Amino acid sequence: EPEVTQTPSHQVTQMGQEVILRCVPISNHLYFYWYRQILGQKVEFLVSFYNNEISEKSEIFDDQFSVERPDGSNFTLKIRSTKLEDSAMYFCASSEAREAKQYFGPGTRLTVT
Amino acid sequence: SQQGEEDPQALSIQEGENATMNCSYKTSINNLQWYRQNSGRGLVHLILIRSNEREKHSGRLRVTLDTSKKSSSLLITASRAADTASYFCATDGLNTGFQKLVFGTGTRLLVSP
Repeated sequence: EPEVTQTPSHQVTQMGQEVILRCVPISNHLYFYWYRQILGQKVEFLVSFYNNEISEKSEIFDDQFSVERPDGSNFTLKIRSTKLEDSAMYFCASSEAREAKQYFGPGTRLTVT
Repeated sequence: SQQGEEDPQALSIQEGENATMNCSYKTSINNLQWYRQNSGRGLVHLILIRSNEREKHSGRLRVTLDTSKKSSSLLITASRAADTASYFCATDGLNTGFQKLVFGTGTRLLVSP
């Protein structure tokens, strides 16, 4: 079965540094998402992306965050200046349609020191 | 908010027993999805049930949805040690945009051999 892939699996960065998390969604999917899960807490929605633009974002997704689909396969999440509280597992997901099931990648564990 | 809340928070059973997890939510939904997460890993999609459906089966999984009570249950029959994981419900709906999934707090299931 096709899978969403994410790289790296673990990223350690210093506070204030920029990080880019990468995802390859399932190839025929049109909707892309980022979620995060702080250790021991709920999975939280960050942003959805369709037709090369953000279609929805949460209050967490402030101007320190950005998303991009630089080519036909990758979907990236950039955090411009990381904070300690950005430490979390970041999940990418994709779906075929707006109301279809969302397939999640294995996650990138981001540790900000 | 449209938060899902699962109960119990933790469930410990023996192999072969059935496990039932419940999810409640607060606002009208379009779909409700159940996911499994093994410790520190990604989210695996289990089943999607639409708001006009009352019950759905997939292998050893049975999901029910009661929109009048704003609740859903996930039944795993004949459980196995490999079912040990956290289980989350996630909802999407008109109030939050069809793309954004709102996750519950999860039930940690431990199946002992």
